[in-house]
Amino acid sequence: QKEVEQNSGPLSVPEGAIASLNCTYSDRGSQSFFWYRQYSGKSPELIMFIYSNGDKEDGRFTAQLNKASQYVSLLIRDSQPSDSATYLCAVLYSSASKIIFGSGTRLSIRP
Amino acid sequence: GAGVSQSPSNKVTEKGKDVELRCDPISGHTALYWYRQSLGQGLEFLIYFQGNSAPDKSGLPSDRFSAERTGGSVSTLTIQRTQQEDSAVYLCASSPGLAGGPLNTGELFFGEGSRLTVL
Repeated sequence: QKEVEQNSGPLSVPEGAIASLNCTYSDRGSQSFFWYRQYSGKSPELIMFIYSNGDKEDGRFTAQLNKASQYVSLLIRDSQPSDSATYLCAVLYSSASKIIFGSGTRLSIRP
Repeated sequence: GAGVSQSPSNKVTEKGKDVELRCDPISGHTALYWYRQSLGQGLEFLIYFQGNSAPDKSGLPSDRFSAERTGGSVSTLTIQRTQQEDSAVYLCASSPGLAGGPLNTGELFFGEGSRLTVL
């Protein structure tokens, strides 16, 4: 079992709709979770982090965390073509300070 | 510097040669991470440093890979006797402190990467 799993996609969403990205992780002790966005040919950049169960909202982005189910998600409301990118879920490993990334979900927003 | 700087940005080498990749982190950042990203794949953890110490080297793929950090700043990733499967983008990231520590939300600041092609 991979430490951090994501559906590779591509996920195609019409402009203006809600994009939902999902991630599961294997380390039950993990406490910190991150969503990075990576445009093609560019380096990842942080868009959200979440530590507590529940929802965290920042503009059009909402991160959701369920530690009991070991599940993290990212919702993007009012999707824009500029949101087309690969979204990487990352988890801070509980027994060390290393951050493990999933393989990423490729999101495409169609006009 | 203003951001994380990596060099070279591109490196083409022949199978069997040694290569060195350099990372210059953001000034004052004590934690430094190396990842590898193959085409269309996610980020594969290689190693991280806190200061000059590497508490976790578990991600290094083989004994051909080594890394060091000096002066709590610049880090070098060395790949000996390169193989074609080593071809990838090698990303370096720094952060103000270890992820999960009091100084750090966990945000990693990435460099632009070093693209390695082994022929």
